[in-house]
Amino acid sequence: EPEVTQTPSHQVTQMGQEVILRCVPISNHLYFYWYRQILGQKVEFLVSFYNNEISEKSEIFDDQFSVERPDGSNFTLKIRSTKLEDSAMYFCASSPSLGDTQYFGPGTRLTVL
Amino acid sequence: AQSVTQLGSHVSVSEGALVLLRCNYSSSVPPYLFWYVQYPNQGLQLLLKYTSAATLVKGINGFEAEFKKSETSFHLTKPSAHMSDAAEYFCAVSVGNSGGYQKVTFGIGTKLQVIP
Repeated sequence: EPEVTQTPSHQVTQMGQEVILRCVPISNHLYFYWYRQILGQKVEFLVSFYNNEISEKSEIFDDQFSVERPDGSNFTLKIRSTKLEDSAMYFCASSPSLGDTQYFGPGTRLTVL
Repeated sequence: AQSVTQLGSHVSVSEGALVLLRCNYSSSVPPYLFWYVQYPNQGLQLLLKYTSAATLVKGINGFEAEFKKSETSFHLTKPSAHMSDAAEYFCAVSVGNSGGYQKVTFGIGTKLQVIP
């Protein structure tokens, strides 16, 4: 069964460094999403992406964040200058069409020191 | 705005007992509703979803949920708990929005413990 994959599974970085989290969505899906889950808190929506542009973003998704689909398969989340409070599990998701089920990847645990 | 409330951050049941995880939603328009499960150190797996068809929805691993509009509820049940059901369960809501895109809003999660 096709699944969303994410790399790396765990990323440790120093405060102020840039990180890129990578996702490979399911191949025939058209909508892509990033969510994050700070330890002990809710899973929170960050951004949705369709047709090579951001379609919706939350207030969390500020200028420090960016997303890109650099080729036909990868979907990336970049954090330009990480802060301690960016430490969280980041989940990528994809769906085949608008309003369809979102399938989640296993997550990348980001630790900012 | 859409939201979900999960009652009980921790639920313990005996193996073989009924599992009932509660979820209430808030939405100004008819919602889509989901239950996801997260096993330790793993991602979110869809258990079941409601998208305005049958109000009783059957999912994987013997779970089911009933959409009750009058109660704005979407409680998750399983007749007989198994040790392998121990995990964290998330209720989630998504609202259709013509011309817009649907983010999923999650509840805080309920950790299910199954006691042998």
